[in-house]
Amino acid sequence: AQKVTQAQTEISVVEKEDVTLDCVYETRDTTYYLFWYKQPPSGELVFLIRRNSFDEQNEISGRYSWNFQKSTSSFNFTITASQVVDSAVYFCALSDRRSGGSNYKLTFGKGTLLTVNP
Amino acid sequence: SQTIHQWPATLVQPVGSPLSLECTVEGTSNPNLYWYRQAAGRGLQLLFYSVGIGQISSEVPQNLSASRPQDRQFILSSKKLLLSDSGFYLCAWSLSWTSGSTDTQYFGPGTRLTVL
Repeated sequence: AQKVTQAQTEISVVEKEDVTLDCVYETRDTTYYLFWYKQPPSGELVFLIRRNSFDEQNEISGRYSWNFQKSTSSFNFTITASQVVDSAVYFCALSDRRSGGSNYKLTFGKGTLLTVNP
Repeated sequence: SQTIHQWPATLVQPVGSPLSLECTVEGTSNPNLYWYRQAAGRGLQLLFYSVGIGQISSEVPQNLSASRPQDRQFILSSKKLLLSDSGFYLCAWSLSWTSGSTDTQYFGPGTRLTVL
């Protein structure tokens, strides 16, 4: 069965520090998708990135970067020069085609609460 | 562009009362629709999903039901609320299989339900 582990329950940093959020996944399928979502205090889940299993290139978007390594089944997320507005819960999620026979179901990790202090 | 709405934003209901939460999507046709619940402790649990009008799949047996009376409308209901139904309810949509990738789900603002 598929599983997503976010071992860091809470992380606290000071503004301008870099921070990496870890995500380790388990799946038996060769075709799968990985996601990161941000949940600010308002509650809405905001989609950040989607990566398919055939694309191991790292991605950078502004201060955000993602490191996908199939060899270690990890999809880590780094925020460079963190800001107070980055404070949120961050979820890693997995979608694979064995999920009930279709590709509709996301398996979420339990999330990492990031607090960026001024 | 697509937008997703949920209402009400917050709700306080007594135990045993009925429930109706509504979710609507704009800017897309025949989306896949989902209901999630997030209890204290942050975990997200998929409750129901729908690939079309009148087509509902339940992921977890519980006190809740879902309906999809229109293409872009998804309703979560209960006849009698339990204390354990308290939580944050999120609706999400994704593109249908005929429209492209079905894997990215986009979430609404959520409804915070407190059952007393």
